[in-house]
Amino acid sequence: NAGVMQNPRHLVRRRGQEARLRCSPMKGHSHVYWYRQLPEEGLKFMVYLQKENIIDESGMPKERFSAEFPKEGPSILRIQQVVRGDSAAYFCASSPSPVAGGLGDTQYFGPGTRLTVL
Amino acid sequence: GQNIDQPTEMTATEGAIVQINCTYQTSGFNGLFWYQQHAGEAPTFLSYNVLDGLEEKGRFSSFLSRSKGYSYLLLKELQMKDSASYLCAVRPLGGSSYKLIFGSGTRLLVRP
Repeated sequence: NAGVMQNPRHLVRRRGQEARLRCSPMKGHSHVYWYRQLPEEGLKFMVYLQKENIIDESGMPKERFSAEFPKEGPSILRIQQVVRGDSAAYFCASSPSPVAGGLGDTQYFGPGTRLTVL
Repeated sequence: GQNIDQPTEMTATEGAIVQINCTYQTSGFNGLFWYQQHAGEAPTFLSYNVLDGLEEKGRFSSFLSRSKGYSYLLLKELQMKDSASYLCAVRPLGGSSYKLIFGSGTRLLVRP
């Protein structure tokens, strides 16, 4: 029973390049969430997606950041023209259902992608 | 506003008991999660409380008081492998309850 998979685990980019982060949810989960963790800070919600739909992107910067969860394949978080402030750990989580209440919508996290912008 | 407070670091001895506190002020409350995160790894789910009281699961227990906006995670018979960060996260009420609000985490160091 594979957990949430993320790749790459570490990504180094120079300022101005693009970063693509991938997330495959747990088997049977159709809801994906992306969080960002800056050093010494808590995880901050970025975006919530279902297959082919962005449900809530209120936590994502309006410029340079985008996310998708296509019908086939992993969810992708894309950061264009990266800047040093984008350096962080990006975590993906998945759940079977987001608002069922109780434990049914517990979010299970992947190991994260650590992005370093030089 | 939304605010979750946890101590930044704690140290305890192998075999002992440690209590990690979490206080929260959020606009609505629909449950509180505790996660364990080893350095460089995924946060892993430990416990969930939505009603007042104590939930026990092996060596780990979690307590919630909604009226006080307070929770704690209790770790008994500490082992070296328990050295990790412990994250408190609140699920808000309403249509955006999937937006977990995390504290900054408590780094626990277990010494021999």
